[in-house]
Amino acid sequence: GDSVTQMEGPVTLSEEAFLTINCTYTATGYPSLFWYVQYPGEGLQLLLKATKADDKGSNKGFEATYRKETTSFHLEKGSVQVSDSAVYFCALSDSGANSKLTFGKGITLSVRP
Amino acid sequence: EAGVAQSPRYKIIEKRQSVAFWCNPISGHATLYWYQQILGQGPKLLIQFQNNGVVDDSQLPKDRFSAERLKGVDSTLKIQPAKLEDSAVYLCASSFRGLNTGELFFGEGSRLTVL
Repeated sequence: GDSVTQMEGPVTLSEEAFLTINCTYTATGYPSLFWYVQYPGEGLQLLLKATKADDKGSNKGFEATYRKETTSFHLEKGSVQVSDSAVYFCALSDSGANSKLTFGKGITLSVRP
Repeated sequence: EAGVAQSPRYKIIEKRQSVAFWCNPISGHATLYWYQQILGQGPKLLIQFQNNGVVDDSQLPKDRFSAERLKGVDSTLKIQPAKLEDSAVYLCASSFRGLNTGELFFGEGSRLTVL
């Protein structure tokens, strides 16, 4: 079945550092790919998405490119802020009519001032 | 716009007891999902509704879990009897017309502890 693998965490960075969070997937067909974020005390919310190969999703300074050849969707940000501290989940959805999200395990990011 | 509402936020019960969680999705959202998130893991889909019909309940432990969405609006997830391994956060999410619209909106979750 479909699955998502995220790098092991947690990750701790200093403010303004460069961030990369790795995500790879296994899926049949042509999934859409997502990054969801959960800030402390809040519900999961969509950060960015890409629906086809070579698409780049971006939001709040974060970017991720859908790489079909490496089945990856790594999340990057050039300069993290303390307010980026959260749990980040990579997810995919299949292309069926009643598609659903399959999540990775999530990774906790802590950014120090 | 009001978000997805869930209650209760926290619940502690003894094993073999029963518990129910309630979810009110965003107004107009036809698709409703219940996810289970065990500590250290990503959310796992339990059941998906389209209006008041079940689309996918393949991962719902039907011997103890049940869910309904009467009238196609709010939904209730019940566990009876609870086991220790049911300790988790139960997330409700909704979307306008499924993932084809690109986004699920999640509630803050209901945290269950089974002792």
